[in-house]
Amino acid sequence: DAKTTQPPSMDCAEGRAANLPCNHSTISGNEYVYWYRQIHSQGPQYIIHGLKNNETNEMASLIITEDRKSSTLILPHATLRDTAVYYCIVYNYGQNFVFGPGTRLSVLP
Amino acid sequence: EAGVAQSPRYKIIEKRQSVAFWCNPISGHATLYWYQQILGQGPKLLIQFQNNGVVDDSQLPKDRFSAERLKGVDSTLKIQPAKLEDSAVYLCASSARTGGFGELFFGEGSRLTVL
Repeated sequence: DAKTTQPPSMDCAEGRAANLPCNHSTISGNEYVYWYRQIHSQGPQYIIHGLKNNETNEMASLIITEDRKSSTLILPHATLRDTAVYYCIVYNYGQNFVFGPGTRLSVLP
Repeated sequence: EAGVAQSPRYKIIEKRQSVAFWCNPISGHATLYWYQQILGQGPKLLIQFQNNGVVDDSQLPKDRFSAERLKGVDSTLKIQPAKLEDSAVYLCASSARTGGFGELFFGEGSRLTVL
């Protein structure tokens, strides 16, 4: 079973920041938080991952709370092409990526 | 860099027939995965290969599903005989790092409809 809890759906206005929350209250000290997204009719695509510190790349930012029990994926300026299902996954070396149902993000014009 | 290639993209069969899906991972990627994604759900791991050896097949329904990765490159997933509940998208993914510690690269998937 997935170790994370995400809202089933969210809306965001085009051009605004999309903030996608994820709860992982049972995360252990050596487990990472990974985010993937899946655009319709495509395979999942890696976005970002982190352990303790906040992370940023060209696609998104990942904010992890100090107690590591939750995190937020931020798409700073959402576009229509960001409409997708976003998966938050807790992962450690030697484990497998377990995908939950994710959050369906709809970016509205 | 070429991505993960899968074929066929779509397949429609009747129950009790057989079907095979093919995957060619990114060149040099040692780890290969097959996932099953039922409509409205997240992908579920079926089997993981490290080179040509099976690392995890605990969720593979072995009475009807089989997979192989000859020579540690291409892989084939077979279903025989198919059931209605096998209707899903079958996703292949590969990873460069041992144990999959890192980014997974997915193909576009093969959509199976069982009538």
